[in-house]
Amino acid sequence: DAGITQSPRHKVTETGTPVTLRCHQTENHRYMYWYRQDPGHGLRLIHYSYGVKDTDKGEVSDGYSVSRSKTEDFLLTLESATSSQTSVYFCAISERQNTEAFFGQGTRLTVV
Amino acid sequence: GENVEQHPSTLSVQEGDSAVIKCTYSDSASNYFPWYKQELGKRPQLIIDIRSNVGEKKDQRIAVTLNKTAKHFSLHITETQPEDSAVYFCAASSGGSQGNLIFGKGTKLSVKP
Repeated sequence: DAGITQSPRHKVTETGTPVTLRCHQTENHRYMYWYRQDPGHGLRLIHYSYGVKDTDKGEVSDGYSVSRSKTEDFLLTLESATSSQTSVYFCAISERQNTEAFFGQGTRLTVV
Repeated sequence: GENVEQHPSTLSVQEGDSAVIKCTYSDSASNYFPWYKQELGKRPQLIIDIRSNVGEKKDQRIAVTLNKTAKHFSLHITETQPEDSAVYFCAASSGGSQGNLIFGKGTKLSVKP
């Protein structure tokens, strides 16, 4: 498996609190992505990064922000968590544009 | 931006039969089309991909076809086995310079012994 680690793996948080999920890679890949997976919706792109400090919005970016201050880490922040953000979050990495994306193990987030 | 439609959402076949999953995309500039398999409780993993300069690609029992004119691509699994049971996702690159990846909603394939 590609060297990609998500933390935490599980989290329960209260509505209105800030939450940060971390994606860490040891592959030195340029591209990093955050997806959320919900039943009936598949994998939806939240934000992605194409280099250090280079990020852009995906399909469902409202309520989320990201930061990438170094190649190996891509952080996803929920500024004020809502119940609609209860989901499984996957980070993915790819070496170049239009090449295989490797996924992390996922983070199950529950907002109560 | 890119939009990917995937059909059917569920598919049930008998062991040994073939399975076909179809996807359409909206951005004519998209040029990379991977397929991922996700087993229950696991992460998605690439099973095959195709680029726009190729019409068909095969890997053992799996094949993918691409029709750029019609903007659709399909996954074909022959001689299905129970271990093929999983959720399959198609995806397309947005075609933009940053190369993000947009997924379809997935197809749950069940192979009955």
